[in-house]
Amino acid sequence: DTGVSQNPRHKITKRGQNVTFRCDPISEHNRLYWYRQTLGQGPEFLTYFQNEAQLEKSRLLSDRFSAERPKGSFSTLEIQRTEQGDSAMYLCASSFRDRGPKAKNIQYFGAGTRLSVL
Amino acid sequence: AQSVTQPDIHITVSEGASLELRCNYSYGATPYLFWYVQSPGQGLQLLLKYFSGDTLVQGIKGFEAEFKRSQSSFNLRKPSVHWSDAAEYFCAVAFASGNTPLVFGKGTRLSVIA
Repeated sequence: DTGVSQNPRHKITKRGQNVTFRCDPISEHNRLYWYRQTLGQGPEFLTYFQNEAQLEKSRLLSDRFSAERPKGSFSTLEIQRTEQGDSAMYLCASSFRDRGPKAKNIQYFGAGTRLSVL
Repeated sequence: AQSVTQPDIHITVSEGASLELRCNYSYGATPYLFWYVQSPGQGLQLLLKYFSGDTLVQGIKGFEAEFKRSQSSFNLRKPSVHWSDAAEYFCAVAFASGNTPLVFGKGTRLSVIA
C-alpha cells in the first residue's frame, strides 16, 4: 500500500494558462475523489469517480475544470484559462467501495497539489 | 442543507492539558462521521471514524470522539496534549456511506504551548 500520490506538489502558473494535475490512488481502490481547499477553509468536494465513470460533479466545478479517469486507475484534473481565484490546494482521495469484508468506507488522502495563479 | 460546523477557529492549549474540539452537523439521519488532521503543507490523515455501534470511538495518537445523537455532535478529545499535536483538525461527514463525498467543517487550528 503506497498511499495516494499527487503530482506535482506545487504549481505556479500565470493567469490564463492551462494546468493539469495527476492523482494515483491506492492500487485496489475503485473510487477516486477530488477536493479543493482554500486558505483557512476545509476541503470542498469537486467530483468523484467509480472506476472510469464520473459519478458526480459539484457546482464548484465550472466549465473550465475537467476531470478524467480513463482506465479506472489514475486521474487527471485540468483547469483551463486559470484565474487567480483558482489558487488553492487540490486534494485527491481514494476509497474501496464494496459490501464485502474488504470494504472500509474510508477515504485516504494524498498530500495535495498547491496551485498558485499569478 | 447538510452542513458541518466547527465553532472554534483556533484553540491554544498547554502541553499536557486536555483537549476537546467541537463538531456539530446538520442532517436528518445519522451520518458517517470522521475526524481528520492536517499538518502544514500536508494532506489529511484519518484520526477516527464513527459509523454505528458504540458512540465512543477510539482513534490513533490517543484521540477519542463521542457521538451524541441528541446534540448532533461528534466532539474530539484527548486527555493530554503533546506538542506534536499542533495541527489543523477537520470534522467531516458523509451522508450516504463513507464512500460518498465528504462535507468538511472549516477546521480548528490547534496550537500547543509549553
